[in-house]
Amino acid sequence: GAGVSQTPSNKVTEKGKYVELRCDPISGHTALYWYRQSLGQGPEFLIYFQGTGAADDSGLPNDRFFAVRPEGSVSTLKIQRTERGDSAVYLCASSLGPGTSVYNEQFFGPGTRLTVL
Amino acid sequence: AQSVTQPDIHITVSEGASLELRCNYSYGATPYLFWYVQSPGQGLQLLLKYFSGDTLVQGIKGFEAEFKRSQSSFNLRKPSVHWSDAAEYFCAVAPSGGSYIPTFGRGTSLIVHP
Repeated sequence: GAGVSQTPSNKVTEKGKYVELRCDPISGHTALYWYRQSLGQGPEFLIYFQGTGAADDSGLPNDRFFAVRPEGSVSTLKIQRTERGDSAVYLCASSLGPGTSVYNEQFFGPGTRLTVL
Repeated sequence: AQSVTQPDIHITVSEGASLELRCNYSYGATPYLFWYVQSPGQGLQLLLKYFSGDTLVQGIKGFEAEFKRSQSSFNLRKPSVHWSDAAEYFCAVAPSGGSYIPTFGRGTSLIVHP
């Protein structure tokens, strides 16, 4: 079946602009995660959704970053007043929800490469 | 808070040679440990994981890793590397239970020479 998809694959924007990054999880996966991967680094956790609610948003760096998942499926990561330091690859992952197994593997999308000029 | 150290930024091996990628973690209790692989333009793929039990775990693509509590290590090994194994490899640690949100190391880039 289809994996996790992310759009756009690349986004170039200017400093100060607003961007939205979209994630389509695997059908039936209730858990959804956003990560940010800077050049030469491993992914850093941003936010985790279980269903429609943000179960853990402790990784969001500041209030310019916000994410929603209104219907418990597609999620959008929103970045306001972008800064050059926001340039990175933004990764999305999904998994089955808690209670279905001891551990549910996270399946990652290919990422959105964001460049802030 | 947990952390992961991958001391090697780059590793170069010849095709057919054996491989060991190092990973050291810091966590107060028994962690959940993972190795992921990331090929250019691809998402991260889980190679293997350790939760408990046998400290030698087998993964996909012929990889294995050994959990050594005394050394706080979880090194990845493969007896014979193929050119297609060239990729970025990430070790990750997650707290046992909860949402299993992993903390990743910075990665090791594997270069395979023919």
